[in-house]
Amino acid sequence: GQNIDQPTEMTATEGAIVQINCTYQTSGFNGLFWYQQHAGEAPTFLSYNVLDGLEEKGRFSSFLSRSKGYSYLLLKELQMKDSASYLCAVILRDYGQNFVFGPGTRLSVLP
Amino acid sequence: NAGVTQTPKFRVLKTGQSMTLLCAQDMNHEYMYWYRQDPGMGLRLIHYSVGEGTTAKGEVPDGYNVSRLKKQNFLLGLESAAPSQTSVYFCASRSLAGGPDTQYFGPGTRLTVL
Repeated sequence: GQNIDQPTEMTATEGAIVQINCTYQTSGFNGLFWYQQHAGEAPTFLSYNVLDGLEEKGRFSSFLSRSKGYSYLLLKELQMKDSASYLCAVILRDYGQNFVFGPGTRLSVLP
Repeated sequence: NAGVTQTPKFRVLKTGQSMTLLCAQDMNHEYMYWYRQDPGMGLRLIHYSVGEGTTAKGEVPDGYNVSRLKKQNFLLGLESAAPSQTSVYFCASRSLAGGPDTQYFGPGTRLTVL
């Protein structure tokens, strides 16, 4: 079976740093994605990790440890517009290269 | 270049009614997917297609059928709607060319079954 866990909700203050964790147990692994989803909208791509280590992209960074089945998304210099759900997804090494999504973490950024 | 579009955006059905959701993409992508999203459940894969004329079952296929007669279109059908199918449905497409950011989502269809 496939299992991806994330915290349900997090709260942080504008200007701060927040780390959203994701743990996964999947049969086959071909990479891990992070998506951002604002309420009522479609998910949009944030980052991708296939090898261990840190990927940095502006205010967003994502880390992967394949041996631990663990990833995190780091958001720096939080802005009000970062209030959204953050979805962790693993891409499987199967016929359709399908994605398995975690339940998402709803982040609220407070002034 | 519209990306991925979905029709309709909203729909209310009565139990037992049927309907078809249309997904269209203009990026010449090979892979297309249908997901449903429910509160606290994340996105769950219903059906997918790896090319024109092919379809396969995902994690939650029961009660749904799909067709991919043309490469750019992926249809999701509900033959006899049930209240448990109340959800937000997202279509996505992806290119075989690879690259990390090549899965694109449509805007979603919010379906309510009474």
